[in-house]
Amino acid sequence: AQTVTQSQPEMSVQEAETVTLSCTYDTSENNYYLFWYKQPPSRQMILVIRQEAYKQQNATENRFSVNFQKAAKSFSLKISDSQLGDTAMYFCAFMNINTGGFKTIFGAGTRLFVKA
Amino acid sequence: GAVVSQHPSRVICKSGTSVKIECRSLDFQATTMFWYRQFPKQSLMLMATSNEGSKATYEQGVEKDKFLINHASLTLSTLTVTSAHPEDSSFYICSARVAGRAYTEAFFGQGTRLTVV
Repeated sequence: AQTVTQSQPEMSVQEAETVTLSCTYDTSENNYYLFWYKQPPSRQMILVIRQEAYKQQNATENRFSVNFQKAAKSFSLKISDSQLGDTAMYFCAFMNINTGGFKTIFGAGTRLFVKA
Repeated sequence: GAVVSQHPSRVICKSGTSVKIECRSLDFQATTMFWYRQFPKQSLMLMATSNEGSKATYEQGVEKDKFLINHASLTLSTLTVTSAHPEDSSFYICSARVAGRAYTEAFFGQGTRLTVV
């Protein structure tokens, strides 16, 4: 079974600074997707960034980028130029493509506070 | 992006009654939908996978007779919490995958806050 581990329950960062959220996962599969989702107080899940396991290049979406280390099974999220609106819960997630019915499994989450 | 609508957003029901939550894909067809439960300040726990036209697949530890799932069409899945009790109070979220596209993430509804009194 796949597992996703986020070891940082809470983090804080000063506005305009950079912060990195950690995530590790465990799987025996070779073909999968990894995601970072943001959940603001409204509790709507918002996709931040997606990484296909077969791609070596790290995904980037504006101020958000990942450091994907497949051999180490590590998938960290870097938020640059942090904004107050980035304050939210962030979940790292894993989706198995080959087996498992495309279920998305979530980590425990990291609560990020951006301070003014 | 694809839109998933969940209804109701909030519901309060009396203990012992049943409540139905709907999950609709508004602008795409979804052969597979997923139901999650989220306790306060915790992660999303997958309850079941809902497949159009067939029985749902439940995760270990989830009571299938308590949480009835029906996926009667390519755009609608429903979760019915039967004989609800206060411990069933939680935030329930559905997600849906676009039919026919293997490599795509699931899209999430806005969630339903269930309170059983």
